[in-house]
Amino acid sequence: GAVVSQHPSRVICKSGTSVKIECRSLDFQATTMFWYRQFPKQSLMLMATSNEGSKATYEQGVEKDKFLINHASLTLSTLTVTSAHPEDSSFYICSASLPDRWDNEQFFGPGTRLTVL
Amino acid sequence: GENVEQHPSTLSVQEGDSAVIKCTYSDSASNYFPWYKQELGKRPQLIIDIRSNVGEKKDQRIAVTLNKTAKHFSLHITETQPEDSAVYFCAATIISGGYNKLIFGAGTRLAVHP
Repeated sequence: GAVVSQHPSRVICKSGTSVKIECRSLDFQATTMFWYRQFPKQSLMLMATSNEGSKATYEQGVEKDKFLINHASLTLSTLTVTSAHPEDSSFYICSASLPDRWDNEQFFGPGTRLTVL
Repeated sequence: GENVEQHPSTLSVQEGDSAVIKCTYSDSASNYFPWYKQELGKRPQLIIDIRSNVGEKKDQRIAVTLNKTAKHFSLHITETQPEDSAVYFCAATIISGGYNKLIFGAGTRLAVHP
């Protein structure tokens, strides 16, 4: 149980284009999902918290107009990188927590490798 | 803001030796402390976690200790094997905006030499 998937696993795009990444909870409903970014040889940095049915909450320094998050259902959150540039190239990972669990364990998706040319 | 510090950044040991990684956190309200192992290009894999009502937890060759007073927690790997080589991250929860969020340490690159 508690499986999280992401699609696509890797994407290469041209500078200036937009890229959408999907995060799905396959066997549970996730009211809250989290989006992280990981640059090479660095740690996971929380970008935003995605809550079903409401606006996402962004961490300080993350541009909400550039990284659009939509959590339209209890099993799907999407991250759209708009007008992507080479500095947006990174490993994007989502996670989700089981509802009604107090222990805060997060289940991670396999990640999406974004390369912007 | 709240942060998690992790040391050392790199650790090299001989197969069979023990490895210890230490983390400190700043938010006294943190109540969940997971440790992750990450291999290149893959998702973080939870290897052990500890909650604030427990001081120590062990799972075979892996153990974690928590000192809430000092706000630090440590990962101990005994009888290391080459397949333990990876990057290890500690994390701690913070409550922000009504959500329990995870803040990660900078990571420790562990190399186990045969």
